[in-house]
Amino acid sequence: DQQVKQNSPSLSVQEGRISILNCDYTNSMFDYFLWYKKYPAEGPTFLISISSIKDKNEDGRFTVFLNKSAKHLSLHIVPSQPGDSAVYFCAAMPGGGADGLTFGKGTHLIIQP
Amino acid sequence: DAGVTQSPTHLIKTRGQQVTLRCSPKSGHDTVSWYQQALGQGPQFIFQYYEEEERQRGNFPDRFSGHQFPNYSSELNVNALLLGDSALYLCASSFKWTLYEQYFGPGTRLTVT
Repeated sequence: DQQVKQNSPSLSVQEGRISILNCDYTNSMFDYFLWYKKYPAEGPTFLISISSIKDKNEDGRFTVFLNKSAKHLSLHIVPSQPGDSAVYFCAAMPGGGADGLTFGKGTHLIIQP
Repeated sequence: DAGVTQSPTHLIKTRGQQVTLRCSPKSGHDTVSWYQQALGQGPQFIFQYYEEEERQRGNFPDRFSGHQFPNYSSELNVNALLLGDSALYLCASSFKWTLYEQYFGPGTRLTVT
């Protein structure tokens, strides 16, 4: 039973446009949500996080939106750049850090020139 | 400032053997978590160590065990290796009070033949 779901295995976006990656979760106990970016042969790199008391968090070109009632979050990348091509993982954690991070299966973002 | 380091990078073992993987956390971090990432999947939480004790454990059998040393570095041991244990093993470090910000190492690729 997947508690964190990324339903798009891949996404192709033109350079300069907005990339929107989506994530759904089922566990109401999740309190923190994170996005990681992963290149081949490297570990995941932390991008941005949001706690359940917020509905938006921005960091440069990256913005994460959280809709608790829909149990849905999204990552917006504006503008998309070639270096953004990677696999993006959505992850969630209950308050207190119990049970570690629960990850989705990832979305492969491809930025087209 | 060194990030999270892991050794070895790659490892090939035979079914039934035992393996030890090592992790050094990011400078100043006191908590280490281990994850297993199978091909095409997101990382899965194995366990977490703080103050040299296992604090949380995911859904993994007792063949998976670990240790944390006084300098916060950690080892992951897997006994009686199965073909299904072939995966990328990731170590993540954090502060105990900010478990929602976990920084990952590059991983150890384990192949069981």
